[in-house]
Amino acid sequence: DAEITQSPRHKITETGRQVTLACHQTWNHNNMFWYRQDLGHGLRLIHYSYGVQDTNKGEVSDGYSVSRSNTEDLPLTLESAASSQTSVYFCASSSGRTTGELFFGEGSRLTVL
Amino acid sequence: AQTVTQSQPEMSVQEAETVTLSCTYDTSESDYYLFWYKQPPSRQMILVIRQEAYKQQNATENRFSVNFQKAAKSFSLKISDSQLGDAAMYFCAYRSAAGYSTLTFGKGTMLLVSP
Repeated sequence: DAEITQSPRHKITETGRQVTLACHQTWNHNNMFWYRQDLGHGLRLIHYSYGVQDTNKGEVSDGYSVSRSNTEDLPLTLESAASSQTSVYFCASSSGRTTGELFFGEGSRLTVL
Repeated sequence: AQTVTQSQPEMSVQEAETVTLSCTYDTSESDYYLFWYKQPPSRQMILVIRQEAYKQQNATENRFSVNFQKAAKSFSLKISDSQLGDAAMYFCAYRSAAGYSTLTFGKGTMLLVSP
């Protein structure tokens, strides 16, 4: 079965370190998204991509970057982790321009000490 | 930019009873999609129901149904015959049908189900 996987599922890091969260989907979806989930804020969009070599900033992109070198992967990088980036991160994908539904990974919990 | 508002941070219901979760949204567009996602303690995001704005008929999925009021920009979720497994965080979400678009979420409503 097609799926979307995130790794690591849990990570603890220190302030200032670079962190990369991986996202891999086997749906062959063109569209991929990164959200962060914080209590009281719901899910907020960090970055998204509509295809290989395409990346776009979302609502809360400061301090994050992504790159899309193939259809399957959209890694999220925190260049210099900050305590404010402690959160649960979700990767998602969708097939068409406006089919609507997003398929989500299981989330990655990141703690920045 | 579109906004999605869920005014109920938490709701409670007893097993077998019916509960309605509220959602309002703000948009100037006429064509869009609305969703309810469920997030149980496992953290998995599960699509509950989807509504296309051009369809007047309210979507239904088994015990889950919506009351879509386009003019009022309201999209409530009704859960009938509530079960313990319905306990979760519920998110309302909006996505434009115009070109490439992203999903905008509300802040969520925590549903508690008691025996």
